[in-house]
Amino acid sequence: RKEVEQDPGPFNVPEGATVAFNCTYSNSASQSFFWYRQDCRKEPKLLMSVYSSGNEDGRFTAQLNRASQYISLLIRDSKLSDSATYLCVVNPKTYKYIFGTGTRLKVLA
Amino acid sequence: EPEVTQTPSHQVTQMGQEVILRCVPISNHLYFYWYRQILGQKVEFLVSFYNNEISEKSEIFDDQFSVERPDGSNFTLKIRSTKLEDSAMYFCASRTSASSYEQYFGPGTRLTVT
Repeated sequence: RKEVEQDPGPFNVPEGATVAFNCTYSNSASQSFFWYRQDCRKEPKLLMSVYSSGNEDGRFTAQLNRASQYISLLIRDSKLSDSATYLCVVNPKTYKYIFGTGTRLKVLA
Repeated sequence: EPEVTQTPSHQVTQMGQEVILRCVPISNHLYFYWYRQILGQKVEFLVSFYNNEISEKSEIFDDQFSVERPDGSNFTLKIRSTKLEDSAMYFCASRTSASSYEQYFGPGTRLTVT
């Protein structure tokens, strides 16, 4: 099983749609979890940390399910500017981070 | 807003040459990282650095690679003898403290080995 696994997509959705991505991880001792956004040939930008209680930032909601070892990202009311690759990042050790391959999202006008 | 900076933005070098990639982390950050991303592939962890020593390194980070924090602001990645397969985007990242695991990335250096 891969350390961090994501559906590569692409997810093509119309503007205004709700879209959800999942990510699974293999190390049950992982400590922290993040969603990053990466635009083509740019650096990853932190979107949000993911907490056990779930967290929300505007149109974005992240959830963590430790029992099933997955995290999710929900984007409501998709905008054209949300088109990007969404990276799941897991911190299995204090000093190490593992990235998923990313899920490509394309929001269509 | 403070940000991580990296220089150069693009480096072209010949196989076998040494390269040094430079990063200036955010000023109050204590933990520093290098990652690489080969075109079309995922971001891969190379090394983490804290308190002037390597905390963790991946299997990619072999004897050809080294890191240094030569002064209070710069953090460098050296590749001693570059190979074609070292061509990639190299990202530096930093985070602030033991209690915050959120990393912030620089814009990257695109390394092309010919």
